[in-house]
Amino acid sequence: AQTVTQSQPEMSVQEAETVTLSCTYDTSESDYYLFWYKQPPSRQMILVIRQEAYKQQNATENRFSVNFQKAAKSFSLKISDSQLGDAAMYFCAYGPYGGATNKLIFGTGTLLAVQP
Amino acid sequence: EAGVTQSPTHLIKTRGQQATLRCSPISGHTSVYWYQQALGLGLQFLLWYDEGEERNRGNFPPRFSGRQFPNYSSELNVNALELEDSALYLCASSLRQTSNTEAFFGQGTRLTVV
Repeated sequence: AQTVTQSQPEMSVQEAETVTLSCTYDTSESDYYLFWYKQPPSRQMILVIRQEAYKQQNATENRFSVNFQKAAKSFSLKISDSQLGDAAMYFCAYGPYGGATNKLIFGTGTLLAVQP
Repeated sequence: EAGVTQSPTHLIKTRGQQATLRCSPISGHTSVYWYQQALGLGLQFLLWYDEGEERNRGNFPPRFSGRQFPNYSSELNVNALELEDSALYLCASSLRQTSNTEAFFGQGTRLTVV
């Protein structure tokens, strides 16, 4: 069974600084998707960034980028130039390729605080 | 375009009662997913519906059930409520062919069992 582990329950960063959130996962599959979701106090889960496992290039979305290490089964999120609006719970998630089960497997989340 | 909408926003029930949660997917989306977010546990997959059929189910007891209507909206029913059912229930929708790569979430229903 696939698992996702986020070992940092809470993180803090100064505004305009860079922070990295860690995520490791376990799977026996070779093709899959990895995601980072943001959940602000409004509770709505917002997709931040997505990585296809068959792509070697790390995904980037503006100030958000990932460090995908397939062999190590590691998928960290780097937030550059942190803004107050980045404060939220961040969830790492695994998604199977092919849609046979269509379920996402989530980690327990990292609560990010941004200090002004 | 309207996003995924869930109702009610908050729901308070007594232990042993039944709860019904509703979800309207984004227009054109045929797949609906239900997740339970209990405090400190992340999101746990509950159910996946597509084209009116239950396609997959997570490790939850049978008192968690649901259905999908012809307009692709969905209901989640929780019978014989227990205190540990208190959680945020999130619904997501997607096109079947894009599956979990393009799932959009609603704002959830906060269920409190007292």
